[in-house]
Amino acid sequence: KQEVTQIPAALSVPEGENLVLNCSFTDSAIYNLQWFRQDPGKGLTSLLLIQSSQREQTSGRLNASLDKSSGRSTLYIAASQPGDSATYLCAANTDKLIFGTGTRLQVFP
Amino acid sequence: GAVVSQHPSRVICKSGTSVKIECRSLDFQATTMFWYRQFPKKSLMLMATSNEGSKATYEQGVEKDKFLINHASLTLSTLTVTSAHPEDSSFYICSARPDSPEQFFGPGTRLTVL
Repeated sequence: KQEVTQIPAALSVPEGENLVLNCSFTDSAIYNLQWFRQDPGKGLTSLLLIQSSQREQTSGRLNASLDKSSGRSTLYIAASQPGDSATYLCAANTDKLIFGTGTRLQVFP
Repeated sequence: GAVVSQHPSRVICKSGTSVKIECRSLDFQATTMFWYRQFPKKSLMLMATSNEGSKATYEQGVEKDKFLINHASLTLSTLTVTSAHPEDSSFYICSARPDSPEQFFGPGTRLTVL
């Protein structure tokens, strides 16, 4: 049974810092891994999707890496801004998406 | 592209009533749709997977008679919460998947049962 965990559970940083959010999964037989952002009371915004054959994906200040063999993915946020404050969820896709526990990020000015 | 809508976005109902939530893929055909539930400050929990024209597959611990799912067309799935009780209050999110592994998510429906 696939289990997905994320650390840290919460993170509070000053504006401008570079951040690393971690995601680990127990079953490496995944199609892809996806990172989402969720603002309070809102739905999900897809940030990056990494196919199982890929090692990383980049979009603007975001970079996600995937190491299937070790069951890990990281989301790197460069030069964080207050607008990045949200909950970040990773999800491993093994025909169905299993979500991690989330990291609540607060970036203060 | 790949837009998924949900209706209603927010619903308040009395205990004992039934509530229907719609999930539509607006610009693609979804062979599979998924329903998730999210408790406050918790992650998303998959409730069921529905394929067009067939019965939904429910995850362990989810009551199929409580949460009725219908996937009548390639662009519409509905979740009906029957005889709702306060413990059913939650944020319900659907997703739709075309013929690819990627899912596209709706904006969610906030259900409050009084």
